[in-house]
Amino acid sequence: AQSVTQPDIHITVSEGASLELRCNYSYGATPYLFWYVQSPGQGLQLLLKYFSGDTLVQGIKGFEAEFKRSQSSFNLRKPSVHWSDAAEYFCAVGANTNAGKSTFGDGTTLTVKP
Amino acid sequence: NAGVTQTPKFQVLKTGQSMTLQCAQDMNHEYMSWYRQDPGMGLRLIHYSVGAGITDQGEVPNGYNVSRSTTEDFPLRLLSAAPSQTSVYFCASSYEAGETGELFFGEGSRLTVL
Repeated sequence: AQSVTQPDIHITVSEGASLELRCNYSYGATPYLFWYVQSPGQGLQLLLKYFSGDTLVQGIKGFEAEFKRSQSSFNLRKPSVHWSDAAEYFCAVGANTNAGKSTFGDGTTLTVKP
Repeated sequence: NAGVTQTPKFQVLKTGQSMTLQCAQDMNHEYMSWYRQDPGMGLRLIHYSVGAGITDQGEVPNGYNVSRSTTEDFPLRLLSAAPSQTSVYFCASSYEAGETGELFFGEGSRLTVL
């Protein structure tokens, strides 16, 4: 069965600092990997996704993520955080036969200090 | 651009009452699903559907029923509400496995069971 672990429940960074959110997955074959963001009181919005090919993927709002098969990781990064990035971030893995049936991590809450 | 629409946004029930959470999408997506979100537990899949007339159970289906009579609609029914069903519920839709697999979410329905 597929699973996702987000080791950090809560991260605080200063505005302008770099950000890395960790995600580790467990899946037997090549996974479909996603990062979603949830602002308070809102639904989830896709930031980026990885299916195959280039292991460094670019997303919206200046985010990127790198797929590392050897480490079973798909960490999310941003070079310079903005106050508006404060939100909850979810990593998800989907089966390659039905990527819509995704399994989510427990989420990481990002706080941005001025 | 309606996307995925959920109603109601907020609901308070008494133990034992029944209700239906409505979900509609206008993107002609084959795949639809219901998740519940609880603090520190990420999103857990309740039920999903890969097309009209087809539904299946997810990770936490007990206490919930679904049906899919049309491509657009995927209601979630609570037959006899319990306090353990207090949660935020998200409906999501996706293209059937293949092209993207990303999930498009509604804004959520916050349910409190007293």
